[in-house]
Amino acid sequence: AQKVTQAQTEISVVEKEDVTLDCVYETRDTTYYLFWYKQPPSGELVFLIRRNSFDEQNEISGRYSWNFQKSTSSFNFTITASQVVDSAVYFCALTYNFNKFYFGSGTKLNVKP
Amino acid sequence: DGGITQSPKYLFRKEGQNVTLSCEQNLNHDAMYWYRQDPGQGLRLIYYSQIVNDFQKGDIAEGYSVSREKKESFPLTVTSAQKNPTAFYLCASMSGRNEKLFFGSGTQLSVL
Repeated sequence: AQKVTQAQTEISVVEKEDVTLDCVYETRDTTYYLFWYKQPPSGELVFLIRRNSFDEQNEISGRYSWNFQKSTSSFNFTITASQVVDSAVYFCALTYNFNKFYFGSGTKLNVKP
Repeated sequence: DGGITQSPKYLFRKEGQNVTLSCEQNLNHDAMYWYRQDPGQGLRLIYYSQIVNDFQKGDIAEGYSVSREKKESFPLTVTSAQKNPTAFYLCASMSGRNEKLFFGSGTQLSVL
């Protein structure tokens, strides 16, 4: 069974604070793919990153970084020096065959000026 | 610009009525998907289609129907059998290289 858990329903921070969004997944497949998407108020989900199960290297893209740890089945997302424009709902997702994607329930991030 | 167009942005359904949500993509993608999003919940898969004239049920297909007569179009019909249709509906597509899902801007369906 595939499952993605985002335990943080909503997080509020003040601009310039660092914030980490947690994602824990369950899968029996040895090959799988993890994703993060951002959903701004406009509604469209915007792709942020994709990670393959065989690549545990952490990744940094500007203020964004991702920590993938197979030992704890986690794929956490950190925003450094948050900005108001980062306010959105963030989804973590998992797929093993690209037919079905399993999404977490999302974390709503509020960044206050 | 290439992308996915969903229309209308807002839709209202009367009791016992069928309504159809449009999804068109000009990305030349093979696969297309329909997801339902309820407040505080993740996206749930309704239907998906890997090629023209073929589609598969997702996790919550009851009360919905789709067609895939053209590569670029994947309309979703919410039938009167769907008793709780109020939700945000998202259409997505993916290329044959299986890289990532591209999403439309969604349709908010409400019941009058």
